[in-house]
Amino acid sequence: SQTIHQWPATLVQPVGSPLSLECTVEGTSNPNLYWYRQAAGRGLQLLFYSVGIGQISSEVPQNLSASRPQDRQFILSSKKLLLSDSGFYLCAWNPDWRETQYFGPGTRLLVL
Amino acid sequence: KNEVEQSPQNLTAQEGEFITINCSYSVGISALHWLQQHPGGGIVSLFMLSSGKKKHGRLIATINIQEKHSSLHITASHPRDSAVYICAVKAAGNKLTFGGGTRVLVKP
Repeated sequence: SQTIHQWPATLVQPVGSPLSLECTVEGTSNPNLYWYRQAAGRGLQLLFYSVGIGQISSEVPQNLSASRPQDRQFILSSKKLLLSDSGFYLCAWNPDWRETQYFGPGTRLLVL
Repeated sequence: KNEVEQSPQNLTAQEGEFITINCSYSVGISALHWLQQHPGGGIVSLFMLSSGKKKHGRLIATINIQEKHSSLHITASHPRDSAVYICAVKAAGNKLTFGGGTRVLVKP
């Protein structure tokens, strides 16, 4: 069966520090991968999605970037965090864009 | 105006009551999702539907494509149904657009 992992589960970082969040999927190959953010009291927002290694589409211009160095690994990064980057970051995957997305457990990020 | 609107924003019910959450959208879609987000933040996909009605246990989801409207019903609600329910629509390609969520509290 397929599983999706995210780490860390929680993170507290100072403003201006770098960020690296990791998402991995097991039990499948060539998944579509997604990064979402949920700011406090707000809805989910798609940040990036990837249909294959090295293929990243950005939905919202900001100081975040994403990379997919391996088939089942999706990384969300920032060189310098802003206060507004605080939120709950969710990774998701599906085997095909027409199918249901399966969400990871999420990473709660607090930028101080 | 948001592309996906949910109502109500908050809902409190007594255990056993029938609950309905509504979702309206303004764009043409290929599919609509209902998601459940638990207090810890974890999200579970409940339904993906593009027409008609789906049922899973005590949950029923319906969609009317012509009216651009979907409903999620919870029958015989239970405190463990307390969560935020999120409607999301798939318009083009991989992108999901989300509603603001409905916070449901079921009291024993």
